[in-house]
Amino acid sequence: DSGVTQTPKHLITATGQRVTLRCSPRSGDLSVYWYQQSLDQGLQFLIQYYNGEERAKGNILERFSAQQFPDLHSELNLSSLELGDSALYFCASSVDGRGNYGYTFGSGTRLTVV
Amino acid sequence: AQSVTQLDSQVPVFEEAPVELRCNYSSSVSVYLFWYVQYPNQGLQLLLKYLSGSTLVKGINGFEAEFNKSQTSFHLRKPSVHISDTAEYFCAVSSNSGYALNFGKGTSLLVTP
Repeated sequence: DSGVTQTPKHLITATGQRVTLRCSPRSGDLSVYWYQQSLDQGLQFLIQYYNGEERAKGNILERFSAQQFPDLHSELNLSSLELGDSALYFCASSVDGRGNYGYTFGSGTRLTVV
Repeated sequence: AQSVTQLDSQVPVFEEAPVELRCNYSSSVSVYLFWYVQYPNQGLQLLLKYLSGSTLVKGINGFEAEFNKSQTSFHLRKPSVHISDTAEYFCAVSSNSGYALNFGKGTSLLVTP
């Protein structure tokens, strides 16, 4: 157990739907990062939050959004889902705002859009 | 911005043989370098990291990596692999000018008897 908790582990939904992925960071970590992993694109950085504030944005689609709550857990919202959104979504956390000491990853949420 | 290239997408090797997984980075500033391992159906686990100091970094499970600034490389090595080392290995880079780790596309290490 890495200390980063992601729920749910698996999610199957239809095109056009909206889903919410949840992440609780390791105790003491202030930063949360979201990554999408697919076979063709590899690990793509989506977005980072640090202590409740958005810190950095990567290749995140406009249909996707995220937030970090006062208790530091984070949610990634994916809407108007398309088949191509099927992927593993990872959350990671770090104590600092830059991840310069590395991240701790959760075990991921596997999203299947049918 | 910094980026990472993992030169081999797949590396097959026999059990107890040595292995080297190659990683090159590009960055105009000082970098921090990492290797992560992903076992099937699991998240990524930190193997080792280079932040500063000694260029030879030792990690978990007998792995080590050498930071070579002139070659902009950070290759991962293990002198004798086990079947259980079969996994996907990712090299990643960050710097003080960026916020998120940039990952390479991964190298699949397949260890066979």
